Amino acid sequence: QITLKESGPTLVKPTQTLTLTCSFSGFSLSDSGVGVVWIRQPPGKALEWLALIYGNDEKHYSPSLKTRLTITKDTSKNQVVLTMTNMAPVDMATYYCAHDRPGYGFGYWGQGALVTVSS
Amino acid sequence: QSVLTQPPSASGTPGQRVTISCSGSSSNVGINPVNWYQQLPGMAPKFLIYNDNQRSSGVPDRFSASKTGTSASLAISGLRSEDEADYYCAVWDNSLPGVIFGGGTKLTVL
Repeated sequence: QITLKESGPTLVKPTQTLTLTCSFSGFSLSDSGVGVVWIRQPPGKALEWLALIYGNDEKHYSPSLKTRLTITKDTSKNQVVLTMTNMAPVDMATYYCAHDRPGYGFGYWGQGALVTVSS
Repeated sequence: QSVLTQPPSASGTPGQRVTISCSGSSSNVGINPVNWYQQLPGMAPKFLIYNDNQRSSGVPDRFSASKTGTSASLAISGLRSEDEADYYCAVWDNSLPGVIFGGGTKLTVL
């Protein structure tokens, strides 16, 4: 059974760096055919893809946020970490991580973590 | 602004068939498989359809999808109240490169 769960601060101040951790079970991120993706959703708005990492350490970032994002994996801990620098109020959103299998899709999602950006 | 265009809303009565469109371009829908996700109110999205028209495990056959050229669509037949949700299409865009989501369609069951 595949499960994922996001963790991190619920409140960050403007200009701070956000660090979110996706802890997962039921699969290993040592396989190039498996990935973990980060997606966010501002309140009342649409889903927005942020970043993706595969087991072979191949990484992809949203072009509009690329300069602010870093995605890494710790295979031994079954975790994927997303950092986003220079947070602003517009970055307030629920942040989701999900399991990705190329040619398939985001089949399993975490419950999401709401991040508020306020001073 | 989403590169994938979905109608913001759709509606139907119980038992009806509704369709939701997803319009893209030659760099995304035209050449890559489209996936669909359902998001019930207050919940995380759920995987519905992959590879244009394949239902994910456990998804009822009331849900179907298709693609022609640079447009895709999701159809829900025998509409039920529990189908009331937001629906999103998603696809890889070779020009970015990256994944793009449609703006979402809010389905109301009247």
